[in-house]
Amino acid sequence: DGGITQSPKYLFRKEGQNVTLSCEQNLNHDAMYWYRQDPGQGLRLIYYSQIVNDFQKGDIAEGYSVSREKKESFPLTVTSAQKNPTAFYLCASSITGDSTDTQYFGPGTRLTVL
Amino acid sequence: AQSVTQLDSQVPVFEEAPVELRCNYSSSVSVYLFWYVQYPNQGLQLLLKYLSGSTLVESINGFEAEFNKSQTSFHLRKPSVHISDTAEYFCAVSGTVGWYGKLTFGQGTILTVHP
Repeated sequence: DGGITQSPKYLFRKEGQNVTLSCEQNLNHDAMYWYRQDPGQGLRLIYYSQIVNDFQKGDIAEGYSVSREKKESFPLTVTSAQKNPTAFYLCASSITGDSTDTQYFGPGTRLTVL
Repeated sequence: AQSVTQLDSQVPVFEEAPVELRCNYSSSVSVYLFWYVQYPNQGLQLLLKYLSGSTLVESINGFEAEFNKSQTSFHLRKPSVHISDTAEYFCAVSGTVGWYGKLTFGQGTILTVHP
């Protein structure tokens, strides 16, 4: 079955540690996105990538980093510079990155920083 | 810049009653509009979208939304809800040119359908 996989589902880290969230898709989509979801705030775009080896900052990129070395993979690193990292993180992909495209979302990773 | 406001954070209704979830947007450019649904502890799924043409768009499970350009609104409606419609609903907007798929989401509306 085609889809987006995010792992792990739950992640706990100590304050000051970097942590990497995995996102893999087998939909053959060119574009991939990372969103952060906080209660009552909807989703906010962290980074997006329209093609391999290229990515752009979204609205809240500070304290995060990404890479896009393969079409299928778009890992997100939450660095110690992110002031409030505890949140639900959602990865998405779309066919071309055109604004008319539907975005397909993974099941999310809930990160808790202790 | 764009923004989306969902006017109700929570909407409780009884099964088989009609429901309307309100969405207003602000944008300096032409937009595409989307409604996504999130069931508990899951990712989001597209419910419906307006790109062009008829201002009334429908989903396969009975929801519909109408694009009103003069009122900058894209309210979601269903004439008769089911228990299974309980979820959080997000309205989103993207610019039509040069936006590269970037979506701006509203805060979400939690729809709870009671028996």
